[in-house]
Amino acid sequence: VRLVESGGGVVQPGKSLRLSCAASGFTFSNYGMDWVRQAPGKGLEWVAAIWYDGRKTFLGDAVKGRFTISRDNSKNILYLQMNSLTAEDTGVYYCARDSPVGQWPNEVFDIWGQGTMVIVSS
Amino acid sequence: QTVVTQEPSLTVSPRGTVTLTCASSTGTVTSECYPNWFQQKPGQAPRALIYSTSNKHSWTPARFSGSLLGGKAALTLSGVQPEDEAEYHCLLKCGGDWVFGGGTKLTVL
Repeated sequence: VRLVESGGGVVQPGKSLRLSCAASGFTFSNYGMDWVRQAPGKGLEWVAAIWYDGRKTFLGDAVKGRFTISRDNSKNILYLQMNSLTAEDTGVYYCARDSPVGQWPNEVFDIWGQGTMVIVSS
Repeated sequence: QTVVTQEPSLTVSPRGTVTLTCASSTGTVTSECYPNWFQQKPGQAPRALIYSTSNKHSWTPARFSGSLLGGKAALTLSGVQPEDEAEYHCLLKCGGDWVFGGGTKLTVL
């Protein structure tokens, strides 16, 4: 069971970035998924969640209207489209596995990727 | 905006017992807040320990236990090992979005 994030980097304020999370070792289409971020030296912050089939998404207040979470179950990939980035969006972005379909809230956030770093700076 | 509060830091002796707590600005933490606990060591991703108040993942050592205590969620480590030195994060969903606490830095000394 593995999650591997990619797509991080240095980006200017106001620009966009898309993160990806490749899943393997489990039936991706059976699980909800989440994004969690961590600013340097700070605690964790929940960012977004998506149902197993992509029909419903949820966004934290800090990113509503700017970020979009989506998934491609045919490719086993989770995405986070980040627009209008600001310095406050700087941090490590982790994807995490949510509950299996029909079993929420059992074993939420049980598997995490290693994270990808996003730096918003001019 | 819900605020989740944890002790910033705690110190425990090897083989000792320590309890970390997690409070919500919305009031009493109940099982309907679905408390989760995570361990994070420097430079590593968080590792899940406890879900839904007291349920352990298959990899969670027996010395870790979760509970509700005095209106808060609690994580108790019994028989602390040197490798338990880490940051511990709680996570709650008390009717709104998931909200993490600020984390507790546990020192084993």
